[in-house]
Amino acid sequence: DGGITQSPKYLFRKEGQNVTLSCEQNLNHDAMYWYRQDPGQGLRLIYYSQIVNDFQKGDIAEGYSVSREKKESFPLTVTSAQKNPTAFYLCASSILRPWGYGYTFGSGTRLTVV
Amino acid sequence: SQQGEEDPQALSIQEGENATMNCSYKTSINNLQWYRQNSGRGLVHLILIRSNEREKHSGRLRVTLDTSKKSSSLLITASRAADTASYFCATDYPGANSKLTFGKGITLSVRP
Repeated sequence: DGGITQSPKYLFRKEGQNVTLSCEQNLNHDAMYWYRQDPGQGLRLIYYSQIVNDFQKGDIAEGYSVSREKKESFPLTVTSAQKNPTAFYLCASSILRPWGYGYTFGSGTRLTVV
Repeated sequence: SQQGEEDPQALSIQEGENATMNCSYKTSINNLQWYRQNSGRGLVHLILIRSNEREKHSGRLRVTLDTSKKSSSLLITASRAADTASYFCATDYPGANSKLTFGKGITLSVRP
């Protein structure tokens, strides 16, 4: 079955640590996205990528980094510079052309700072 | 912010009733989409309506779009307990380069 897989489902981070969230898709989608979800705030875009080896900052990129070395993979690193990383992180993918078919989301990673 | 706003923030209805949720946005759009999120899970794409469309149906879902009022509504008919979830509208703006802007969501509770 085609889909998008996020791992791990739960992640605990100590203060000052970098952690990496995995996102893999086998849908042959060109574009991939990372969103952060906090209670009552909806989804906010962290980074997105439309092509391998290229990515763009979203609205809240500070304290995060990404890479896109393969079309299927778009890992997100939460660095120690992110002051409030506890949140639910969602990865999504979409085709680019023709546009207008919606995003496919993964099941999310819940990150907690301990 | 170009974020869409859903209304109401929370809705509680009895099974079998219809649920109507609204979304307003601020600038012209290419299309508007509705997503559902079950607790602790990812979002699921429900339906997309383009700026030149006024109404669209998918099963028990009916979406309308009024570009003059910059608003959309999602109607779920004959609701079921399994429809309990959060619902988000997302807008695709010209020049947004494929990025969607999501609202804060509506929490729907359907009582058995």
